Amino acid sequence: QSALTQPPSASGSPGQSVTISCTGTSSDVGGYNYVSWYQQHPGKAPKLMIYEVSKRPSGVPDRFSGSKSGNTASLTVSGLQAEDEADYYCNSYAGSNNVVFGGGTNLTVL
Amino acid sequence: QVQLQESGPGLVKPSQTLSLTCAVSGGSFSSGSHYWTWIRQHPVKGLEWIGYIHYSGSTYYSPTLKSRLTISLDTSRNQFSLKLTSVTAADTAVYYCARGCCGGALDYWGQGTLVTVSS
Repeated sequence: QSALTQPPSASGSPGQSVTISCTGTSSDVGGYNYVSWYQQHPGKAPKLMIYEVSKRPSGVPDRFSGSKSGNTASLTVSGLQAEDEADYYCNSYAGSNNVVFGGGTNLTVL
Repeated sequence: QVQLQESGPGLVKPSQTLSLTCAVSGGSFSSGSHYWTWIRQHPVKGLEWIGYIHYSGSTYYSPTLKSRLTISLDTSRNQFSLKLTSVTAADTAVYYCARGCCGGALDYWGQGTLVTVSS
């Protein structure tokens, strides 16, 4: 069982927006502004998409955005494109040098 | 551009020690801002944080693996290593090395290496 809870699946049509949630506790997501999101295509390594809740690394399209409210963080993908179809994982700092991952969400572009 | 590359045996027998190395190139390995990290992904499952080492030598190990785990650093070769003892089939996974930064975020990853524990 993963420390952070994500929905197993999400979907949307091209051009639409989809939001993926990542729910933790006040000891991790709610306690620190250190939530990251990763995109993983089949057979590939994860790629950092969002860090520190809402910051985008260089090269990540601004269609990807992150936010947090209380113990739940969210990743929103706007203007869905076929290449956005992938697994998405969140992670959070959890204090005492501990980091925890979510179980992952499979995003399907219909 | 920072690049990481894992290497090590793809097959390990039960009860033996799993040893992997991650070679780092293209970046400042000695930067105090980064944490050299191991993560694994079990077949058809999510990601699991294993642990990390800082350039200073300080380490953090996952509580569930701590008793079997050692992460070390070789600054002369720009590489860091993982040793996991007494492995079982439950340790079969793709093992990734990555660079940690900014509050636990992992900004550069190796391609991953599949390690199978089987006799």
